[in-house]
Amino acid sequence: GAGVSQSPSNKVTEKGKDVELRCDPISGHTALYWYRQSLGQGLEFLIYFQGNSAPDKSGLPSDRFSAERTGGSVSTLTIQRTQQEDSAVYLCASSPGQGAQYEQYFGPGTRLTVT
Amino acid sequence: RKEVEQDPGPFNVPEGATVAFNCTYSNSASQSFFWYRQDCRKEPKLLMSVYSSGNEDGRFTAQLNRASQYISLLIRDSKLSDSATYLCVAFSNTGFQKLVFGTGTRLLVSP
Repeated sequence: GAGVSQSPSNKVTEKGKDVELRCDPISGHTALYWYRQSLGQGLEFLIYFQGNSAPDKSGLPSDRFSAERTGGSVSTLTIQRTQQEDSAVYLCASSPGQGAQYEQYFGPGTRLTVT
Repeated sequence: RKEVEQDPGPFNVPEGATVAFNCTYSNSASQSFFWYRQDCRKEPKLLMSVYSSGNEDGRFTAQLNRASQYISLLIRDSKLSDSATYLCVAFSNTGFQKLVFGTGTRLLVSP
């Protein structure tokens, strides 16, 4: 079946511009996660959605970052006034539920380059 | 201090060798642990869960030592296709539940 998809696969933007990254989770998965991975760094948790519960935004690095999940499915991560340090691969993952017993399935990521 | 720490490597081993990676975690409340595999420029994929009693999946063996707060992964009879980055992951059940990833250990298996 279809896995997690993300778009665009690559995005180059100028410093100061806003960007939107999209994630389509696996159908029926209630949990959705955003991570970012900088060169040589581990995955950094950004935000987590579970069903209709309030999202866990504890990983968002600044108020320039926001995310929403519409209809419990598609999610958009928005970065306003991008900075060079925002350059990274942004990965989305989904899982069938909340809890360690549910495997997280990752999308291919969006490679963001801020010039 | 990172919540999950790993030796970044790279570990260079010949085909057929046995190689072991360790990982330490600082949050004693972490309840579940995993090893993920990430190929170059690809997304991470679950390799195996780690249980207290230790578990084996073919050539791969994972173990958890809660007293010392470390996790290990042993790969026997290394294949060229094992070349990848191996991510140690802890699942935190405090507050919002989420996975905490280590930075990964890179393995290069050569002919």
